[in-house]
Amino acid sequence: QVQLVQSGSELKKPGASVKVSCRASGYTFNTYAMSWVRQAPGQGLEWMGWINTDTGKPTYAQGFTGRFVFSLDTYVSTAYLQITSLKAEDSAIYYCARDLLGFGGGWFDPWGQGTLVTVSS
Amino acid sequence: SVLTQPPSVSGAPGQRVTISCTGSSSNFGTNYDVHWYQQLPGTAPKLLIYGNNNRPSGVPDRFSGSRSGTSASLAITGLQAEDEADYFCQSYDTSLRGSIFGGGTKLTVL
Repeated sequence: QVQLVQSGSELKKPGASVKVSCRASGYTFNTYAMSWVRQAPGQGLEWMGWINTDTGKPTYAQGFTGRFVFSLDTYVSTAYLQITSLKAEDSAIYYCARDLLGFGGGWFDPWGQGTLVTVSS
Repeated sequence: SVLTQPPSVSGAPGQRVTISCTGSSSNFGTNYDVHWYQQLPGTAPKLLIYGNNNRPSGVPDRFSGSRSGTSASLAITGLQAEDEADYFCQSYDTSLRGSIFGGGTKLTVL
């Protein structure tokens, strides 16, 4: 079945970096885009942007430029989210989600199980 | 949030509830569809309705979606205890050039 499996929880100090992985299975990886979504504790969902899994071109939503990097390893059907210069306000659950139309214009299905990133000194 | 949802709704088992999602001309006023997600406590969101009113395989027909003008609604009939969750609407905004979510609605089954 179509599935996205993310890497485990991370505890990082302010200023450090983190890289979250999202491994896809059950479909041809480069035929659907991948979006990333953030959910701060007790808050709603925030779309971070998407990556074209065929060309590798990332597109970032407003508020997610500069410290956020989307990348791929197509050989292992995996998408990555890297966040640099971590701040306390980056503490959240980060989800990858298969983007059925690409560019965030369609629906997201399925979602990864989420990766909790905690930034604390 | 660009899309506005009520923070909470509630209903007794067996009842019908609706959750509204209000947008604007740059999102619901375009050709882009609205989609709905259910997020059970401590889990990832799950697609509930796509393309305004389509249910993925496995989603009970107690769940239905509709859209009119710059608003959309999710209806749940025959409310069950297992429906207690957060529900989010989602669409695309042409001004922001990106996907947008509603703030979410917490459904409580009394």
